[in-house]
Amino acid sequence: DADVTQTPRNRITKTGKRIMLECSQTKGHDRMYWYRQDPGLGLRLIYYSFDVKDINKGEISDGYSVSRQAQAKFSLSLESAIPNQTALYFCATSDFTGRETQYFGPGTRLLVL
Amino acid sequence: AQTVTQSQPEMSVQEAETVTLSCTYDTSESDYYLFWYKQPPSRQMILVIRQEAYKQQNATENRFSVNFQKAAKSFSLKISDSQLGDAAMYFCAYRSAASGTYKYIFGTGTRLKVLA
Repeated sequence: DADVTQTPRNRITKTGKRIMLECSQTKGHDRMYWYRQDPGLGLRLIYYSFDVKDINKGEISDGYSVSRQAQAKFSLSLESAIPNQTALYFCATSDFTGRETQYFGPGTRLLVL
Repeated sequence: AQTVTQSQPEMSVQEAETVTLSCTYDTSESDYYLFWYKQPPSRQMILVIRQEAYKQQNATENRFSVNFQKAAKSFSLKISDSQLGDAAMYFCAYRSAASGTYKYIFGTGTRLKVLA
């Protein structure tokens, strides 16, 4: 089974709708991240969390919110989706044992009409 | 602020040949980590190789190796004996080793095509 899972894998929604993207991990890592990927722009950080009580904004947090329900679960919400939020969204985890390597989920492709 | 630049949007290589993907970065820090990630058509981001800045020895993982030039702030990826399965987007990434740092900075990617 995959260490980092994301649901749904693909989603089509309409402008103004609220949607939630979910991420779960079995790696036992404390740190979790949400990124969006747009063609030609690489990955940009939306939010990150170092533990259940520690949530921080990344570089492009406007229009998004997150919830860390447990160490293993980190959800991303779009309160009122807009077309320019159409992108590929990745969840990632990392530990702080010194290796500082991120492990990614399979991504969620979101289309906002 | 740190930046990561991948100046080659697309590269091609013949199967079984060797190809080098370029990555440069800008930082004032002395201790950091560098990564290459592969993103095949499946979209999954897969770690290819990792380098700690304090290590002078270049990292290697089977057919993948890096040329880490700290003074030049260059971190290129060499793929030897290229295979069709190597076709993917490749992203270079930087992470500071400073305490409390959270941010990984990614380049814009290089699309690698492998020609049969």
